Amino acid sequence: GQQLNQSPQSMFIQEGEDVSMNCTSSSIFNTWLWYKQEPGEGPVLLIALYKAGELTSNGRLTAQFGITRKDSFLNISASIPSDVGIYFCAGPSNFGNEKLTFGTGTRLTIIP
Amino acid sequence: DGGITQSPKYLFRKEGQNVTLSCEQNLNHDAMYWYRQDPGQGLRLIYYSQIVNDFQKGDIAEGYSVSREKKESFPLTVTSAQKNPTAFYLCASSIGGTGAETQYFGPGTRLLVL
Repeated sequence: GQQLNQSPQSMFIQEGEDVSMNCTSSSIFNTWLWYKQEPGEGPVLLIALYKAGELTSNGRLTAQFGITRKDSFLNISASIPSDVGIYFCAGPSNFGNEKLTFGTGTRLTIIP
Repeated sequence: DGGITQSPKYLFRKEGQNVTLSCEQNLNHDAMYWYRQDPGQGLRLIYYSQIVNDFQKGDIAEGYSVSREKKESFPLTVTSAQKNPTAFYLCASSIGGTGAETQYFGPGTRLLVL
């Protein structure tokens, strides 16, 4: 089946630093979604990408749909304490299939 | 406010007992989903429904059952056949139809076995 590998698995950074994480797939994706999950809560959609090469921002967050359609990247600039959480990538690999495959997540911790 | 609600927030199950987790949405979405999340893990699909009165098994359906009698509601029953039910359960919905559709999640229910 489809697999999404997220990297890194966890990050420990100081407040104010920039963050970069990525997601790679074993197959081509038509859509990339990035979610953030805080402890004990459901994931919240951050950014949706629909076209290869697309670069989309949401405040301090920027995500890119890789040209090969097998990867995506999420960057957070000038991190703040409320950025703590687990970031998941997700996407369906086949057009017409609403089932999403989720990555294993990148856990972000801010060191005071 | 439109959204997805799950209840209860915490649920305790005794050995051999069936329990039902509630999921309601008022977003007028056609499709609904149930996921299981174990500590430090990603989300695994249990069941999904693209339309009322129809549902399909996901990747880990064994020991679970669902119904979709109303568009707004998609309850999940964790049966006694599920031997390791302790997990965080997430319900989601999407507009539905063909093509990739963004899913929106509820706040989750944490199930613990006594």
